[in-house]
Amino acid sequence: KQEVTQIPAALSVPEGENLVLNCSFTDSAIYNLQWFRQDPGKGLTSLLLIQSSQREQTSGRLNASLDKSSGRSTLYIAASQPGDSATYLCAVEYGNKLVFGAGTILRVKS
Amino acid sequence: DAGITQSPRHKVTETGTPVTLRCHQTENHRYMYWYRQDPGHGLRLIHYSYGVKDTDKGEVSDGYSVSRSKTEDFLLTLESATSSQTSVYFCAISASLRDNNSPLHFGNGTRLTVT
Repeated sequence: KQEVTQIPAALSVPEGENLVLNCSFTDSAIYNLQWFRQDPGKGLTSLLLIQSSQREQTSGRLNASLDKSSGRSTLYIAASQPGDSATYLCAVEYGNKLVFGAGTILRVKS
Repeated sequence: DAGITQSPRHKVTETGTPVTLRCHQTENHRYMYWYRQDPGHGLRLIHYSYGVKDTDKGEVSDGYSVSRSKTEDFLLTLESATSSQTSVYFCAISASLRDNNSPLHFGNGTRLTVT
């Protein structure tokens, strides 16, 4: 079964810290992997998409890496800000569907 | 929100009644998806569509049906709602999942409560 796991489930850090969110997947035959952000009561916003042939993608203070062979991805957030507080989800594409992790709830304290 | 509108935003209904949720897009994207989000489960795919009248089941399709008669509209129907279908339902669209410039875009969700 294709499963996606995110660790930790919740994380609280002081403003300014660099942090890493983890995502692991059981089936390495992926097309791509996406990281999303979800604010309370809202839908998901796509942050980064990494194709299976790529190792990483960067957008501003965000950097996502992908290691297909080990079934892992990390989302690195540099110099965290209170506005980064949200739930972060990773999703792996298999065929025409995405399999989501349960998310990491991030709180950045000012 | 990438031109996606879900309606209604909130609905309370009784067990056994039929319910239809609507997703409308203005992006002319080919792919449309219905997900449900529950605590501890993340998002799970219910059904998806890869074109007008072309739909397929996701991992939690039992108790749900869909229809797509126009590119812009994707309807999700609960034929006879049950309490286990209380959830937040999200519609998503994509031009192509394999295009790096075309990630998945989500609507703001419909919160459904079945009493």
